[in-house]
Amino acid sequence: AQSVTQPDIHITVSEGASLELRCNYSYGATPYLFWYVQSPGQGLQLLLKYFSGDTLVQGIKGFEAEFKRSQSSFNLRKPSVHWSDAAEYFCAVGGLGGGGADGLTFGKGTHLIIQP
Amino acid sequence: DVKVTQSSRYLVKRTGEKVFLECVQDMDHENMFWYRQDPGLGLRLIYFSYDVKMKEKGDIPEGYSVSREKKERFSLILESASTNQTSMYLCASSHGQGNTEAFFGQGTRLTVV
Repeated sequence: AQSVTQPDIHITVSEGASLELRCNYSYGATPYLFWYVQSPGQGLQLLLKYFSGDTLVQGIKGFEAEFKRSQSSFNLRKPSVHWSDAAEYFCAVGGLGGGGADGLTFGKGTHLIIQP
Repeated sequence: DVKVTQSSRYLVKRTGEKVFLECVQDMDHENMFWYRQDPGLGLRLIYFSYDVKMKEKGDIPEGYSVSREKKERFSLILESASTNQTSMYLCASSHGQGNTEAFFGQGTRLTVV
């Protein structure tokens, strides 16, 4: 069965500092990987996705993620965080199923706190 | 711009009531999903549908049912609401085969009292 682990429940980062959020996945085939962000009381917004090709993926709001197959990881990074980045971040895994779709599998999320 | 719309942002219902949560997407997507989000548990899949009138159970279907009479609309039904169904409910849709990018609605925060 597929699964996603986000080891950090909370992370606190100073404004302007760099950020890395960890994500490890388990998936039996070639995975599709996603990072979503959720602001308080809102739905999920896609930050970036990896389907194939270049393992370093650029997303919106200055985020990037690197797919490392050997480590089953898809960590999210940002060189300099802004106060507006405070939110909940979810990593998810999916793939090409055999007809139709049965939904992405999400990690439990990492709550990002930005210190002034 | 793609859009998934959930009919209510906030709902308060009484224990035992029948509750309908509605979701509409305007992207002509084949797949639609209902997730439940609880603190510390992340998103858990309740039901999904990959075609009109088709439905499949997700990870936590107990106490819920769904209806998809039209391609653009996917309804989640709580037959007899209970307090442990107090949660944030998120609808999503995606295109085609496989578990590709999902687009989410704004969520419905349901409180059962």
